[in-house]
Amino acid sequence: AQSVTQLGSHVSVSEGALVLLRCNYSSSVPPYLFWYVQYPNQGLQLLLKYTSAATLVKGINGFEAEFKKSETSFHLTKPSAHMSDAAEYFCAVSESGGYQKVTFGTGTKLQVIP
Amino acid sequence: DVKVTQSSRYLVKRTGEKVFLECVQDMDHENMFWYRQDPGLGLRLIYFSYDVKMKEKGDIPEGYSVSREKKERFSLILESASTNQTSMYLCASSFPGAGVNNEQFFGPGTRLTVL
Repeated sequence: AQSVTQLGSHVSVSEGALVLLRCNYSSSVPPYLFWYVQYPNQGLQLLLKYTSAATLVKGINGFEAEFKKSETSFHLTKPSAHMSDAAEYFCAVSESGGYQKVTFGTGTKLQVIP
Repeated sequence: DVKVTQSSRYLVKRTGEKVFLECVQDMDHENMFWYRQDPGLGLRLIYFSYDVKMKEKGDIPEGYSVSREKKERFSLILESASTNQTSMYLCASSFPGAGVNNEQFFGPGTRLTVL
């Protein structure tokens, strides 16, 4: 069975500081991994995805994530936070085959302090 | 531009009422999903459908049913609404298959309050 753990339900950073949102996964087969972002009063939209092509994945809005198999991690980073990055971020895992069920983490709310 | 729409952004219903939440996608996706989102619990899968008239239970199907009569439309039904079903409901769709096609496209959500 697959699962995702996001460490920290709330993270605060200063504008211009490094953003680091942590995600660890559990999967019995090589996983597909995703980060989604949810802005207030909106649905989720895809930030980036890992599908085994490259371990460092670049996404939209300057975000990137690195797949580390030995650590079963897929942490999301951005070098310099912007006020517009304030949102909730969800890590998700999917296993190939079957009906591609996706399991989401519990989310991390990012606050950016001016 | 891909689009998933949900029939209502906000809905208020009474305990015991039958509630219909509608979702429509215009991307010709085979897969459609219903989630509920609660603070601290993330997204939990209620039901999903991989084809017309096909459905599979997710992690929390109790108290819910679904209908998919057309490929583009997936309905979530609360047979007898209860206060513990007050939540944000999110619909999503995706192509079948592994890898990049697993990306799910989400609607804006319906915030349901059951009084």
